[in-house]
Amino acid sequence: QVQLEESGGGVVLPGRSLRLSCAASGFTFMTYAMHWVRQAPGEGLEWVAIISKDATNKDYADSVKGRFTISRDNSRETLYLQMSSLGPEDTAVYYCAREEAEAGTFGYGLDVWGQGTTVTVSS
Amino acid sequence: SYELTQPPSVSVSPGQTARISCSGDALSEKYTYWYQQKPGQAPVLVIYKDNVRPSGIPERFSGSSSGTIGTLTISGVQAVDEADYYCQTRDSSGAYVFGTGTKVTVL
Repeated sequence: QVQLEESGGGVVLPGRSLRLSCAASGFTFMTYAMHWVRQAPGEGLEWVAIISKDATNKDYADSVKGRFTISRDNSRETLYLQMSSLGPEDTAVYYCAREEAEAGTFGYGLDVWGQGTTVTVSS
Repeated sequence: SYELTQPPSVSVSPGQTARISCSGDALSEKYTYWYQQKPGQAPVLVIYKDNVRPSGIPERFSGSSSGTIGTLTISGVQAVDEADYYCQTRDSSGAYVFGTGTKVTVL
């Protein structure tokens, strides 16, 4: 079945780095744009980043720009999020999600989500 | 930065109609999307492009948009609809924006 599975979360010291992965299965990964969305404890959803299906276009929320890098390996059907200079404000559940969309246009919504991986930034 | 504002909570009796608003500048000039999230679970897309239901979403969910307000309507609310609901759009720079979220309580 169509599935996204995140991994790589954990407890990390402030200022350190962490890389999240999102493994896709059950659909043609290379035909979808992919997102990272996070949710701090008890808070709402916050969009983090998007990468186009061929990785030529990327965009980030202002809160992570310059610190986070989104990437993908279509041959491995895997999405990544490299996070650096982490701070307590980055503590959240991180979700990956797919969207059928062309770069710069309104797509069909984030229609498949993973179950999330938890990142805790604490000393 | 672009903001989407939702009421923190909406309460409704079973069988009644719940309407959740989402306010943003010139929202009707963009598309609005709606997500349902139950505790401990990932969000689920319930409406895309203002008023389109994805496959598998019950007909009691509908969406509309006019002026600066997008609205998610749940007709004939059921206990299983108790959840948090988030609207979403894209701002003029292309960044994705989520609303503040609304907790729907079924009395």
